[in-house]
Amino acid sequence: DVKVTQSSRYLVKRTGEKVFLECVQDMDHENMFWYRQDPGLGLRLIYFSYDVKMKEKGDIPEGYSVSREKKERFSLILESASTNQTSMYLCASSWDSGGTETQYFGPGTRLLVL
Amino acid sequence: SQKIEQNSEALNIQEGKTATLTCNYTNYSPAYLQWYRQDPGRGPVFLLLIRENEKEKRKERLKVTFDTTLKQSLFHITASQPADSATYLCALAKDSNYQLIWGAGTKLIIKP
Repeated sequence: DVKVTQSSRYLVKRTGEKVFLECVQDMDHENMFWYRQDPGLGLRLIYFSYDVKMKEKGDIPEGYSVSREKKERFSLILESASTNQTSMYLCASSWDSGGTETQYFGPGTRLLVL
Repeated sequence: SQKIEQNSEALNIQEGKTATLTCNYTNYSPAYLQWYRQDPGRGPVFLLLIRENEKEKRKERLKVTFDTTLKQSLFHITASQPADSATYLCALAKDSNYQLIWGAGTKLIIKP
C-alpha cells in the first residue's frame, strides 16, 4: 500500500514564526503536492513538484515556499506564519501515469497560528 | 476558469437506500474525473476514476456516471450503510498534467 506520512498531526505556532511541514512518501512517486483545506472551500493547491529539485506554484503560493531535495520528501515552509494561514494542510503524491494521476494523501496537519 | 460545484448541504439518507451525489463543472470537459472519500480529520482516499469516453464505472456498491453534455458526474452508493457516512469529493483534471481541480465536497450521512 502507498503510504504518505506527514511530520505532525497538530501544530500550534505564533505569528511570525517560521514553520516547517514535512511529507514523506514510500512509493517512488514522481509528483508531490501541498494543499490547504478550509471549510466550504475545495482543496487549494499551494505548490507541487514533478521531480527532485523541481517545483511549480499552484493557485495560492503567496507566503509559502517548498523544498524537494530527495524524491520521497517534500517540505512546505511558512516563512513568517500569519493567522490567515491557520488551516488543514494536506500532502499528496502520485505516479506520472500519463494522464490519470490518482493522488494519495497523508493524514493532514492541522495548523493553528496564534 | 474551470469551476466545480458540489452540493454544500449535507445529504441525509436512510440506511439501505441509494445515495446519489452530484458534481457539476462549468467549462471544458476534462479528460477524466475522480471521486474521493474523506473522513473527518483525515486525508481524502481515492475511490473511482472515470474517463471522458466512459459513460459509467462500477466498483462493488459504487457507481459513477459521466455526462459531458450536461457537464455532470453522478456518484451512487447502493445499499448504503452508516459506515458510508463521510464527505465525498469530486476532482477533475486540469488542462495541464499532474494537477486536479477539487470540489468542496458533499457530506453524506447515512441514518440507521
